[in-house]
Amino acid sequence: SQQGEEDPQALSIQEGENATMNCSYKTSINNLQWYRQNSGRGLVHLILIRSNEREKHSGRLRVTLDTSKKSSSLLITASRAADTASYFCATDDPFTGGGNKLTFGTGTQLKVEL
Amino acid sequence: DTGVSQDPRHKITKRGQNVTFRCDPISEHNRLYWYRQTLGQGPEFLTYFQNEAQLEKSRLLSDRFSAERPKGSFSTLEIQRTEQGDSAMYLCASSPLLGGGASRTEAFFGQGTRLTVV
Repeated sequence: SQQGEEDPQALSIQEGENATMNCSYKTSINNLQWYRQNSGRGLVHLILIRSNEREKHSGRLRVTLDTSKKSSSLLITASRAADTASYFCATDDPFTGGGNKLTFGTGTQLKVEL
Repeated sequence: DTGVSQDPRHKITKRGQNVTFRCDPISEHNRLYWYRQTLGQGPEFLTYFQNEAQLEKSRLLSDRFSAERPKGSFSTLEIQRTEQGDSAMYLCASSPLLGGGASRTEAFFGQGTRLTVV
């Protein structure tokens, strides 16, 4: 089952604008991750934020985490056409013997138009 | 080693046939995962290997599904007696096991195998 919902389901913006995607989850977490998926391809890890962190930056990406509301947001600044993709948040549930199961949200489809 | 490799990229099969997919993880990664993704959804966890041991299996993995990772290197996922509901993208991911008890939880995904059952 999906861990949470992402909002919006689809987002269309012009190149140079900022894009904000939100993710809500249901259970307590160790960390929350964001992945990008180009159409019909595999997922690429973007950024990880730990449960004791509130904000994290990586290049044009800014992630926030509010554990009291069980929500996270991903901001992409100065978007480019190459940012067109689906974006997923994922929480991880550690297995007792090691390893981590990622539970993904439903994703936001971002389209950046020239 | 350029990343996680999956083969084939696409597979079309008739209902009732068996199919097998292969995943070659990043060579130094001990941990290997299989996920399934249907259209418009996020990936869903199927199973997890640490080296050659299959340590976790999702309830999504019915009796018709079997996964192996002989010698702790590549992995195969077999689906027997395929059904139309098995049509999906099957994704493989790997991650390293670091020393000192630390672990990186971000996963490195392959390009996936898209299965179409007709």
